[in-house]
Amino acid sequence: EDKVVQSPLSLVVHEGDTVTLNCSYEVTNFRSLLWYKQEKKAPTFLFMLTSSGIEKKSGRLSSILDKKELFSILNITATQTGDSAIYLCAVEAVDNAGNMLTFGGGTRLMVKP
Amino acid sequence: DVKVTQSSRYLVKRTGEKVFLECVQDMDHENMFWYRQDPGLGLRLIYFSYDVKMKEKGDIPEGYSVSREKKERFSLILESASTNQTSMYLCASSWAGQAYEQYFGPGTRLTVT
Repeated sequence: EDKVVQSPLSLVVHEGDTVTLNCSYEVTNFRSLLWYKQEKKAPTFLFMLTSSGIEKKSGRLSSILDKKELFSILNITATQTGDSAIYLCAVEAVDNAGNMLTFGGGTRLMVKP
Repeated sequence: DVKVTQSSRYLVKRTGEKVFLECVQDMDHENMFWYRQDPGLGLRLIYFSYDVKMKEKGDIPEGYSVSREKKERFSLILESASTNQTSMYLCASSWAGQAYEQYFGPGTRLTVT
């Protein structure tokens, strides 16, 4: 059974801090790993990672994938209160029927002023 | 642990068929959501419900309807399936007032031929 585990479960930091969120996975026929930010009804897409060692960057957020060790990290530098949210990691795998998506439990980030 | 289950992992239907996707959660959550996930498009909200018999349209409700007769069960209905509804469908649930902290089901891969 495919499995995605995120850590830590929750995190409280102060504005300006840097945070690292972790996502480890065990899936068969890995295709991609996705990061989402959830603060309203629907999660907002952040990154899709398919290749090891290539960092994806968007402003203060960056993410990298290690397909050998089966994990990904999401970094947020110079955090702001608007970064407070739940961050979801999901892994896409392919089987005979097509692609399937498995979500981790999320990391709740709170950024204090 | 919160458990969100979906009636089928894989489903193959023909164009024009009526399709029911069922979702059940065991945590007495008030909110329930239906999404579809397509490559390159992230998660898109179809419908959500914040109470029994209550429903609200999400971003892409066209071609879908929903039913929530009991608190633990939220059904997504495709009245007349079309090939462009081939997708991964994800159900989620959350407590009232915490729509951002959603727990996802395993997903249903629907193929319409």
